[in-house]
Amino acid sequence: DTAVSQTPKYLVTQMGNDKSIKCEQNLGHDTMYWYKQDSKKFLKIMFSYNNKELIINETVPNRFSPKSPDKAHLNLHINSLELGDSAVYFCASSHISEQFFGPGTRLTVL
Amino acid sequence: SQKIEQNSEALNIQEGKTATLTCNYTNYSPAYLQWYRQDPGRGPVFLLLIRENEKEKRKERLKVTFDTTLKQSLFHITASQPADSATYLCALLLNDYKLSFGAGTTVTVRA
Repeated sequence: DTAVSQTPKYLVTQMGNDKSIKCEQNLGHDTMYWYKQDSKKFLKIMFSYNNKELIINETVPNRFSPKSPDKAHLNLHINSLELGDSAVYFCASSHISEQFFGPGTRLTVL
Repeated sequence: SQKIEQNSEALNIQEGKTATLTCNYTNYSPAYLQWYRQDPGRGPVFLLLIRENEKEKRKERLKVTFDTTLKQSLFHITASQPADSATYLCALLLNDYKLSFGAGTTVTVRA
């Protein structure tokens, strides 16, 4: 009964490629998020959707494009991957305050 | 600029002792503050939330205090156990949806 799931768990790819990470939540939450956690473990918000509407868009290169086909799903597409994109990406969801995180996707760009 | 600082990157303590972690912030007026636990290779897990009008909150062996004058929260793990070893993150709510996280403190409890 996974609450927030992400696929894939690991992603290894070459510079310049395009890749997607998928996220699904079965908690019935209205709000979903993408976070990036770098090598120093600092967790930083990238995007947030509420009822499929983008409500937070931090200073993120436009190579990153989130898409929310419905309330339960929030995907992240990354174009022209760069070495600096290597990190762990976490999806999360919330109803009011407490956020529920997925297991993370470790992206390695070679 | 807004800043969240957790007092140290790492804290090593003996089993049975109390671990105290500090979260300081500047240039924020958060409605509330949250603490999360993160184990290696896993996502953060919510532990406690404390509102700006609350001084203290407890949950089992965990205690959180919130001093909006000092702009500081303290997180205590009493009677610590090796299973408490993890990274603990404080997070401030900036608006209805946006949480801003500190860098975390890694706690290691020695048996």
